[in-house]
Amino acid sequence: DTEVTQTPKHLVMGMTNKKSLKCEQHMGHRAMYWYKQKAKKPPELMFVYSYEKLSINESVPSRFSPECPNSSLLNLHLHALQPEDSALYLCASSQDRGGTLGEQYFGPGTRLTVT
Amino acid sequence: SQQGEEDPQALSIQEGENATMNCSYKTSINNLQWYRQNSGRGLVHLILIRSNEREKHSGRLRVTLDTSKKSSSLLITASRAADTASYFCATVALGNEKLTFGTGTRLTIIP
Repeated sequence: DTEVTQTPKHLVMGMTNKKSLKCEQHMGHRAMYWYKQKAKKPPELMFVYSYEKLSINESVPSRFSPECPNSSLLNLHLHALQPEDSALYLCASSQDRGGTLGEQYFGPGTRLTVT
Repeated sequence: SQQGEEDPQALSIQEGENATMNCSYKTSINNLQWYRQNSGRGLVHLILIRSNEREKHSGRLRVTLDTSKKSSSLLITASRAADTASYFCATVALGNEKLTFGTGTRLTIIP
């Protein structure tokens, strides 16, 4: 199984809502990532989890809260978002290669619209 | 922040022609990777080239790397309509555990 799954595919939420994005992989990868991608722009890294521990936070606002319950799951909790947070949110995973980052496997993304 | 710049930003060619995209980056790297993204979907890894490699092939793809010029190119030969997508280079800097993506090239193959 070389697939990364993400749910939901689409999400519309108001600025006062709380919602969560979910990501799952069963490739035994121990590194997982959240990216944000605006239209016609490259993905921008938000968070990196390595062995279920947060290893990189790219100065993301606290209204985005990541969680890694186990080695296969990654969540992104959303609260009090702004319209400018509307974007495609991508999850990815990769093998631990002893410090050398190899290829990443991406999910299909969640298209988030904040109204 | 984006490390890589890609050119052209957009490229349209006839089916069957070759497509070449270029990527430049700023810092020393461990490896450079190319990804494809179909409209509004997830990215698919195409090829990885290490800093000590100069050229790599995978099917119809050929990637070159010139570390002295801090640049890479992706050549797609005998293009097909299904190759229509955005293509991103991404670098892994020395001592770093994250990918930094270039600005991307939008490739359109005209049937």
